Parts: sequence; C-alpha cells; structure tokens
Amino acid sequence: GAVVSQHPSWVICKSGTSVKIECRSLDFQATTMFWYRQFPKQSLMLMATSNEGSKATYEQGVEKDKFLINHASLTLSTLTVTSAHPEDSSFYICSAKQGFQAYNEQFFGPGTRLTVL
Amino acid sequence: AQRVTQPEKLLSVFKGAPVELKCNYSYSGSPELFWYVQYSRQRLQLLLRHISRESIKGFTADLNKGETSFHLKKPFAQEEDSAMYYCALRMDSSYKLIFGSGTRLLVRP
Repeated sequence: GAVVSQHPSWVICKSGTSVKIECRSLDFQATTMFWYRQFPKQSLMLMATSNEGSKATYEQGVEKDKFLINHASLTLSTLTVTSAHPEDSSFYICSAKQGFQAYNEQFFGPGTRLTVL
Repeated sequence: AQRVTQPEKLLSVFKGAPVELKCNYSYSGSPELFWYVQYSRQRLQLLLRHISRESIKGFTADLNKGETSFHLKKPFAQEEDSAMYYCALRMDSSYKLIFGSGTRLLVRP
C-alpha cells in the first residue's frame, strides 16, 4: 500500500530557531501533499496544500512566512517552521495524494511532534 | 461555513455491544464523507467512505442527506476497535478534507 513517512518523528528546539520537517511518499508519486496541525485532544486542521513545483496554498489564518512549504519533487515536501515560538508546539501531520482527481485517497504520515522551549 | 461535528469525545461500550459514533455535517453542496481511524501509536488511516458503500471491519456508515449525518455503526464491538475515530468531509471538486474533532471509542472486555 501507499506509505508516507515523516522525519523527524519528534523534535525539540529553542525559541527563535527554525525547524524543518520532511514528508516523503515512499512508493508513489504524490501530485499533492497536505500539511495539518493537531493540538492535543483536538482535530486535524489543514494548514496548507502544496502541489509539486508550485507555491503552496495556505488556509486562512496560517502565516505563510512562518510556515514555509516547499514541494520540490513528486515524493518530497518540506515544512519549515521559522523563528519558532512555544505556541508553535504541536503535532504536525502530512498527507499525500496520488493522481489528479479530487477523489483520490490521501495517505497520512505518522506525524512530527514539535516542542519549542 | 463547512463544518463536521462529532458530539461525543468518548464512547465507552462493552465487548459485543452495538456501537454508533455520531457525525453531522454542514455543507450546502454535494459532500463526500469519510471515516478515518487512528489506533494507538499508529497513523491516521481511512476506514471507509460513503461512495464505496462498503463494510470494513464490520463497520458501516450511511450518508443521510436529509439529516446531514454520516453515523458510523457496528453491531458487535470488539476490543480491537478501541481507537480514535474521525469523521471528515470533502467538498465537491476540492481536495480539502475537513475533520471533526474525533471520538475516542473504548471497548471494554
């Protein structure tokens, strides 16, 4: 089946530093990747949608200069949290979709837990 | 605005009892509804989608457009069904998934 990996699985950083999270589709080419954020005991909130080779589309309220998304290839998307602050601490989950149809299934990564001290 | 509501944060049942996890949505177009499941320490995975009309692991869900609901049901719960369940909506012609807040199902022996 389709597998999506994330690296790292967890990261602790100091306030003010930047953190990069990778999302890879291991056995398929992902035309679209999605980044979600999940606060404790809350639902997944879509942050942005990225298509390979083009700029990401951010959801309302998500700062694009703070959460930089790069989708350089059909198997890799990265999320960089710039100048991280404690309020950015959260669980970040990516998903990847194969094909160009909206109904194609999204496959989810295991998530990355970010803790900003 | 589009919204998915799961009113129960926790549902606790005994093994063998019927289960119904509630999901209601608000969307004026033609939605596609999904149930995702997250077992302990595992990633989110698709359980079923309404267009498939399948029964997966004994679970079924019927889209009721009149009541704007997509409740997940299983006649006899098993301990291995204990997990977090999320209802999600995809708007027509959109890739975007809107998730409910999730319901934790605990099946006791």
